Amino acid sequence: AQSVTQPDIHITVSEGASLELRCNYSYGATPYLFWYVQSPGQGLQLLLKYFSGDTLVQGIKGFEAEFKRSQSSFNLRKPSVHWSDAAEYFCAVIKAAGNKLTFGGGTRVLVKP
Amino acid sequence: GAVVSQHPSRVICKSGTSVKIECRSLDFQATTMFWYRQFPKKSLMLMATSNEGSKATYEQGVEKDKFLINHASLTLSTLTVTSAHPEDSSFYICSARWGLSGQETQYFGPGTRLLVL
Repeated sequence: AQSVTQPDIHITVSEGASLELRCNYSYGATPYLFWYVQSPGQGLQLLLKYFSGDTLVQGIKGFEAEFKRSQSSFNLRKPSVHWSDAAEYFCAVIKAAGNKLTFGGGTRVLVKP
Repeated sequence: GAVVSQHPSRVICKSGTSVKIECRSLDFQATTMFWYRQFPKKSLMLMATSNEGSKATYEQGVEKDKFLINHASLTLSTLTVTSAHPEDSSFYICSARWGLSGQETQYFGPGTRLLVL
């Protein structure tokens, strides 16, 4: 079945350390790719998106993601994590224009001092 | 830009009553909006797709007579939980789609916490 996988349910990182969140999809063609962040009790905020072109995408809050077609991956990275980055992160894809958004299971990021 | 609001942010109601949740796109027009439900520590579950001027499309297993959706204008969609029961208690999130074909992005509201007593 076509799906989006976030292999890590939880990640704990020290403040100031780097962060990488993994996302893999299983669609045949290149879908549209998104990363969202959700703070507790809040809605989802769009961090970045990829439709085509440059495979390294810059987003808000210092995040970036790299699309790797050969690995069907769209991993999210941040060089130096801040305590405010503690949240739930969702990778999501749209298979094609006009289709529905499909979410991964999410990765909860904990930031320790 | 691309701000989506929801009202109310939280609501407590008695079992058997109906609750209406509003979702508005504040700075863009959205022909398509979506309603999700999120259980604690879980990902989002799509309930229905709301299209302006037409009937909503419900996902399998979602009772359309219980979760009434109205997309009356290009900036407003409402979800009414009819005859609410405690098992309907959840976090409901709407989103609105915006962008040119091939560049469409979903923007999410802040969510509504529903507690049915």
